[in-house]
Amino acid sequence: AQKITQTQPGMFVQEKEAVTLDCTYDTSDPSYGLFWYKQPSSGEMIFLIYQGSYDQQNATEGRYSLNFQKARKSANLVISASQLGDSAMYFCAMRSYNFNKFYFGSGTKLNVKP
Amino acid sequence: NAGVTQTPKFRILKIGQSMTLQCAQDMNHNYMYWYRQDPGMGLKLIYYSVGAGITDKGEVPNGYNVSRSTTEDFPLRLELAAPSQTSVYFCASSYWGSNEQFFGPGTRLTVL
Repeated sequence: AQKITQTQPGMFVQEKEAVTLDCTYDTSDPSYGLFWYKQPSSGEMIFLIYQGSYDQQNATEGRYSLNFQKARKSANLVISASQLGDSAMYFCAMRSYNFNKFYFGSGTKLNVKP
Repeated sequence: NAGVTQTPKFRILKIGQSMTLQCAQDMNHNYMYWYRQDPGMGLKLIYYSVGAGITDKGEVPNGYNVSRSTTEDFPLRLELAAPSQTSVYFCASSYWGSNEQFFGPGTRLTVL
């Protein structure tokens, strides 16, 4: 069974500090992709970063990096130098390439304090 | 490009009514998806399509139907609406080989 687990319902971080949002996954597919999305209070889904299961290096996109540990089945999102605009819900997701399906975690609500 | 568009933005249905949520994309994407997001939860896949004429069930397909007669459009049909279908519905699309899904703005549906 495919499953994404985010164990932190809410997180606080001080502005300009780094924060790590946890994500673990379960899959039997040999090939899969891992994603992080941001959902601000306005409701839209914003793609942040992608990591393929065969990628050797951790993905980075600006202030976002994905700490991929395949053996532990974890794909944590690291946001460096947090900004007030980073306050939002963050969802981890997995794409099963065998079945073209996406699975989402329950999300982590990040609050950045000034 | 308009990207992924969804109509309506909001809708209130009575129990037992039916409706169609519209989704269209102008990016020539072959993959399209329908999700629902219940309050405080992540997205759950309802149905998806890998091309015109091809659809398949996701995690939570019961109570819904889809069709894909063109590349651009992927409507979601609710038959006999129930309060459990109160949710925000997102449509998304992606291109084969691409790692990014493009999401529509969502439709907030309330069934009373």
